[in-house]
Amino acid sequence: AQRVTQPEKLLSVFKGAPVELKCNYSYSGSPELFWYVQYSRQRLQLLLRHISRESIKGFTADLNKGETSFHLKKPFAQEEDSAMYYCALSPLSGGSNYKLTFGKGTLLTVNP
Amino acid sequence: DGGITQSPKYLFRKEGQNVTLSCEQNLNHDAMYWYRQDPGQGLRLIYYSHIVNDFQKGDIAEGYSVSREKKESFPLTVTSAQKNPTAFYLCASSKYRETGELFFGEGSRLTVL
Repeated sequence: AQRVTQPEKLLSVFKGAPVELKCNYSYSGSPELFWYVQYSRQRLQLLLRHISRESIKGFTADLNKGETSFHLKKPFAQEEDSAMYYCALSPLSGGSNYKLTFGKGTLLTVNP
Repeated sequence: DGGITQSPKYLFRKEGQNVTLSCEQNLNHDAMYWYRQDPGQGLRLIYYSHIVNDFQKGDIAEGYSVSREKKESFPLTVTSAQKNPTAFYLCASSKYRETGELFFGEGSRLTVL
């Protein structure tokens, strides 16, 4: 079974401070991990995926298989980063049973 | 304008009535998904379909039904058997057999009176 845990429902930081949104997962096979973001009044959209190893809008996330974690980090938070963030997991191999399992989300608020 | 269109955006229903939510995509994606979004619960998968005329139950399929007669369309019916139907429903699509990006619609909010 696939499971994603985001331990923080709410996270509040000040502008310019570092931010880390935690994500832990449980999956017996090889996973692919994602972060999705939902800004106010916008559609849920992909922020980044571990395979691409990109930095998007200053955010990075490293897959730690030993700790089964995929924490999202940004060194200097901006007010426009305020949004709901979801961590998600899928089987790496794809196939007919491919599906994306989401965590419960973390609402990030960046205060001025 | 490519994307996913969900309708209606807002829907009210009386208890005991079935209601169907529409989801259409013109991205030429093979796979489509329905999620339910509740405060504090995140997104939970209701049904998904990877090809036409085939679909699988997700984690919370009870009280819901779907059909996939066309590649572009994946309607969701919320039946009277769904005990707690008031929620925000999201439809998404993706390429088949690729671990990749899901594209989401704007959602439909269903309220049962």
